[in-house]
Amino acid sequence: DIVMTQSPDSLAVSLGERATINCKSSQSVLHSSNNKNYLAWYQQKPGQPPKLLISWASTRESGVPDRFSGSGSGTDFTLTISSLQAEDVAVYYCHQYYSTPLTFGGGTKVEIK
Amino acid sequence: QVQLVQSGAEVKKPGASVKVSCKASGYTFTTYGISWVRQAPGQGLEWMGWISAYNGDTNYAQRFQDRVTLTTDTSTTTAYMELRSLRSDDTAVYYCARDKSNCFDPWGQGTLVTVSS
Repeated sequence: DIVMTQSPDSLAVSLGERATINCKSSQSVLHSSNNKNYLAWYQQKPGQPPKLLISWASTRESGVPDRFSGSGSGTDFTLTISSLQAEDVAVYYCHQYYSTPLTFGGGTKVEIK
Repeated sequence: QVQLVQSGAEVKKPGASVKVSCKASGYTFTTYGISWVRQAPGQGLEWMGWISAYNGDTNYAQRFQDRVTLTTDTSTTTAYMELRSLRSDDTAVYYCARDKSNCFDPWGQGTLVTVSS
């Protein structure tokens, strides 16, 4: 199984400041056949289901604000919120879909400082 | 709009079974698979398995292999997850999600299954 490790577990950021979340996979999720990273990011607000923000490591889903960006390749990935807004308070999860069993990181809780 | 609507909360005794439904709308049901993911209280996300809505093929996480069955009914565009031999640590919110190349979008609203004697 591919183990996904997120850091930090939580972070508090001032409104308008940058938030950075890291995700490391125990093996590469870069597929050599198409040079794509099988890595997604989800946002989960309290009492709600997760919402897909980014797929293929860096492709923002339709309707997702451009302050959210994903980067990285192979085993190391980052989700960046460039200017934190109040509505971004949530838990963020990375997810590898390179191989089954599909696995998630443990989550990073983002709060306002 | 694409929507997945799940059945309501359930309370079950240890050893019982539960069957959760997931009604899909707003897209061609057989074009995508459905994955099921659960979330224990205050915990992270755990993938349970996937079913093709096109031909019924399934892929289960090994730890659930012996206890879970995923099915679909294309006539009603509904997916089902049945979990047997329930234990207290199966208490969780169970989500269905449309599976887009193993990314999940959107998710159902979740169904709380409580296992308690």
